[in-house]
Amino acid sequence: EVQLVQSGAEVKKPGESLKISCEGSGYRFSDYWIGWVRQMPGKGLEWMGIIYPDDSDIRYSPSFRGQVTISVDRSINTAYLQWSSLRASDTAMYYCARVVYILANSIYYHMDVWGKGTTVTVS
Amino acid sequence: QSVLTQPPSVFAAPGQKVTISCSGTNSNIGKNYVSWYQQLPGTVPKLLTYENNKRPSGIPDRFSGSKSGTSATLTISGLQSGDEAEYYCGTWDTGLSTGVFGGGTKLTFL
Repeated sequence: EVQLVQSGAEVKKPGESLKISCEGSGYRFSDYWIGWVRQMPGKGLEWMGIIYPDDSDIRYSPSFRGQVTISVDRSINTAYLQWSSLRASDTAMYYCARVVYILANSIYYHMDVWGKGTTVTVS
Repeated sequence: QSVLTQPPSVFAAPGQKVTISCSGTNSNIGKNYVSWYQQLPGTVPKLLTYENNKRPSGIPDRFSGSKSGTSATLTISGLQSGDEAEYYCGTWDTGLSTGVFGGGTKLTFL
């Protein structure tokens, strides 16, 4: 079974650092991009960025570039999302998802398997 | 402000058919494939359709996606009580070089 297992809920103070994880299993991890999506309380989905485990190629949303760092350790099939200095406005649910992203004349793109989410509370 | 525009809400009755629109530009929907996601209250988003009109295994054919020009549509027929949820469209924006979501549409039963 293809699944993404995310790390547990976090409660942090403003200014603290944080790194959350997303471990893939049931498929060849290096063959698919991994994406991160933010959902603030009562709000919609926000695309943060994606990373390709095979070569660590990354695409960031302009809204999140410089605010977070996406990384991967393909030796343990795990992707990461990290903050160096959290703010109260980072309080949200963060989902990782497996991404189909294929460059062609028309780009094939969708998120087909989602992790259960990691709740981050900054207060 | 989302790159893709969806109506905030739609209302329908069980058994009816409902359509949810998603409007974009030539840089995103007009150029690339569209997907739709369902998020039931308190749960993880789930892929409903991809590549404009394909369904993953296990998704009933009551859910169908389509695309025309710079707009996409999700159609849900034979509405069931379990369909009350938030629905999001998504695609790749070639100009931004990022994925994008619509703002979401909440389906509520009358």
